[in-house]
This record gives sequence, structure tokens and C-alpha cells, in this order.
Amino acid sequence: DSGVTQTPKHLITATGQRVTLRCSPRSGDLSVYWYQQSLDQGLQFLIHYYNGEERAKGNILERFSAQQFPDLHSELNLSSLELGDSALYFCASSVSDQNTEAFFGQGTRLTVV
Amino acid sequence: AQSVTQLGSHVSVSEGALVLLRCNYSSSVPPYLFWYVQYPNQGLQLLLKYTTGATLVKGINGFEAEFKKSETSFHLTKPSAHMSDAAEYFCAVTRAGLYSNNDMRFGAGTRLTVKP
Repeated sequence: DSGVTQTPKHLITATGQRVTLRCSPRSGDLSVYWYQQSLDQGLQFLIHYYNGEERAKGNILERFSAQQFPDLHSELNLSSLELGDSALYFCASSVSDQNTEAFFGQGTRLTVV
Repeated sequence: AQSVTQLGSHVSVSEGALVLLRCNYSSSVPPYLFWYVQYPNQGLQLLLKYTTGATLVKGINGFEAEFKKSETSFHLTKPSAHMSDAAEYFCAVTRAGLYSNNDMRFGAGTRLTVKP
């Protein structure tokens, strides 16, 4: 158990819908990273938050957004969903924003039908 | 920019045999290199990493990897495979020095199967 909690574990939704994925980082960790893992794209970095502030954006679509709340949990919002958004979405957390090991959650498997 | 190539999307070995998973990197700056393991329905777990110092790095579960700058490689090995080693393995690279996990670039992964 990495200490990073992601909910829900599985999500099935229709095209055009909006979903919210939630991540609770390890106790004491200030950084939260979101990744997308798909068969064709592999593991791709989406976005990084540190202590409530956005630090970096990767290959995140405009239809996707995220935030980190004062209690440090984070949510990834995916809207106008397309079939191609079906993937495993991981959250990872680390103590600081540099040079530290990131611990991954078990992921949320999103299926868009 | 950094990138990694993992040679072989699937590797199958017998229990007790040597495990060798190949990773070659490309980086315009000195790299930090990582191996992660992903068990079914789990997130990624760090096996080992090379940052500075000794080029032979030992990790958890008996795995080790050697950084070879001349070959731009960071292959993962284990002398004797165990059934519990069956998983997906990812090589990752980032720049040396101050880095963030958002700078990491992951390989496509190698699925290791261990036959009894």
C-alpha cells in the first residue's frame, strides 16, 4: 500500500459526459501528479500541483482540468468525454516538488462507451 | 529532451532463470534513470534509481541495474526469477540535478512472464 488513495477504482460513462477523479496523497506529501496510461500513448504526465498551486502541465487536453484543495487532496475533471479518453488515470504524490520519490496510487480505470 | 526505449514488450523466463530487461535512453543532458514495477491492478512502484556515484545500482526484490554511459543503457537484471516477479516494468529518465517527477519520461513497458 503506497498510501495514495484514488477513487473510484473503476468508472464507466458515456461519451459527452463529465467525470471527476479523486486523489488523496500520502500524509505529509505536498505534491500531486496526475498521469494517464493508455495502450497507445503509454504513461503520460498530465499535470502537477504543489501545495495548492499548479506547477507544470504536460499533455493535458483543454477538456481536462485539475485542482488541489487546501487539505491537499486533488481532483481531475474530465469533460466532453470521448472514446479515446478511456485509460488508466494515476495519481502520485511526493513530499516536495523536486528530487523525491513519487508514490503512485492504484489508479482509476475509466471506460468511455 | 529525454526519452527511453525498452527493447521487447514481452519477456518470458523460467523460474530460477536470469531476468534481463533492456532499456536505452536518449538525453542531451546527464540523466537520472529509474526502473518501476507495476503489478496487476496496482500503481507503479520504484525498484531502483541511478542518480550519481556507483553505476551499479541495487534495488528491491533482488533487482539491480547498471548505468553504462558509453552504451546509453540502463538494463535491469535479476539472477534468479521468481514467480512473484511477473509484472510490467517501466524504465524512466529525467535530467540530472534538480528534477521533478513531471519531467520524467517513461518507456513503453516490458511485461515479464515467469514460467514454472
